[in-house]
Order: sequence, then structure tokens, then C-alpha cells
Amino acid sequence: GQQLNQSPQSMFIQEGEDVSMNCTSSSIFNTWLWYKQEPGEGPVLLIALYKAGELTSNGRLTAQFGITRKDSFLNISASIPSDVGIYFCAGQPRSNSGYALNFGKGTSLLVTP
Amino acid sequence: DVKVTQSSRYLVKRTGEKVFLECVQDMDHENMFWYRQDPGLGLRLIYFSYDVKMKEKGDIPEGYSVSREKKERFSLILESASTNQTSMYLCASSFDLSGGLDTQYFGPGTRLTVL
Repeated sequence: GQQLNQSPQSMFIQEGEDVSMNCTSSSIFNTWLWYKQEPGEGPVLLIALYKAGELTSNGRLTAQFGITRKDSFLNISASIPSDVGIYFCAGQPRSNSGYALNFGKGTSLLVTP
Repeated sequence: DVKVTQSSRYLVKRTGEKVFLECVQDMDHENMFWYRQDPGLGLRLIYFSYDVKMKEKGDIPEGYSVSREKKERFSLILESASTNQTSMYLCASSFDLSGGLDTQYFGPGTRLTVL
């Protein structure tokens, strides 16, 4: 499947700062998903987006499904040390009549107290 | 809550051994998936299944096979393990929603080392 372009690759921030990361695709997507993975664990679903323009929050996390259907961003406000992990975007392209998702390579987030 | 479990968290096998990785989900999901995750390469789909006894190849099926005899269980088989199959293996499952909206839920992963 197509690999999504996720940026930045890594971020090293201080506790309390806001974080922003994004994913882009060359094709139109029906679904955008954001996952967090902690060391030695499987990815955990944070936010699911199903409509272009949709803006969804989950606590300090906010994600949006881009109007063009080719991008999505995830914001984390007032970061805390337990936000550390790798954040993945994933999506299902409109052209894909099957069931598989395409994934970004992840954004590694480090938060210092 | 959706629960996806994998039979082992860590596994060490020797080259040439036959290896079975088991995945079970408790939410009556139609779709199940096997991925491998490697540094710098992200998640890559090996195989998936959208129904019992049905399977589809993903992006990297070579060297692997799968079995889905029951809806809740999806097994990944390495017929003859090789060192380049050392990786983190992740199982996922999802509902079969119309329109192709597919939110996948992952298990904790199995870290396989082939010596």
C-alpha cells in the first residue's frame, strides 16, 4: 500500500508545550486515524476521522480531516511526560475497495519535565 | 472495550523452525490483519482476512502463510523462519463497515527473534 508522508519524524519538547504533527497523501482518503504506540506495545487508537473537514477532540488531543481529503493533522496541547511515544497516522484511500489501511512512518515524541 | 490478544509477547526461534503466532479478538470482528513493524519501515501488511477461511495477501506475504478457522482467531505461520523475519509482529481487527470505513484495533505485539 501507499506510504503516507508523516512529519516531523521526531520532536523533542519541554513539558507544557503544544505539539503539532501532520500526514499527507497524494490520493484522496475516506478515513484518517491517529494512533499512539508506547515502547514494546501495540498502537492504541486515539482519534478516528470519517468526514472531510471534521475536527475531533479527545482530551488534550485534537485532530482534523483535511478539506482536500489528502491530509490530516494531530495537535497535543500542554504536553506532559506520559505523552512520550510514537504517533502514527493511518488512512484508507478512496480508491481502495478492500480493507487495508495505509500508514505513516510515525512521529517520535519526547517530552522533558 | 475491544480486546485483541496475541499468544506471546516475546519469542526466540532458530533458523528453519516453523513458527506459529496466534491472535484472538473478542469483539466478533469480521476483519483481521497481520503486520510487521521494523525501524524506519513503519507498519507493513503481511496478510489479512475478511471472513472465516478467507485470506488476502498484503504487501509482503512472502515467507508467511495464515489460517483463519474461527472468526475470533487468526494465525500467522512462518513455514521456515529466517533471520530477516526478526521483527515486531502486530495483529489487528476491525468491523466490516459499509463504505469501507475501517477502524483497526491492535494487539500488544509479539517481538520475534530468529537466531
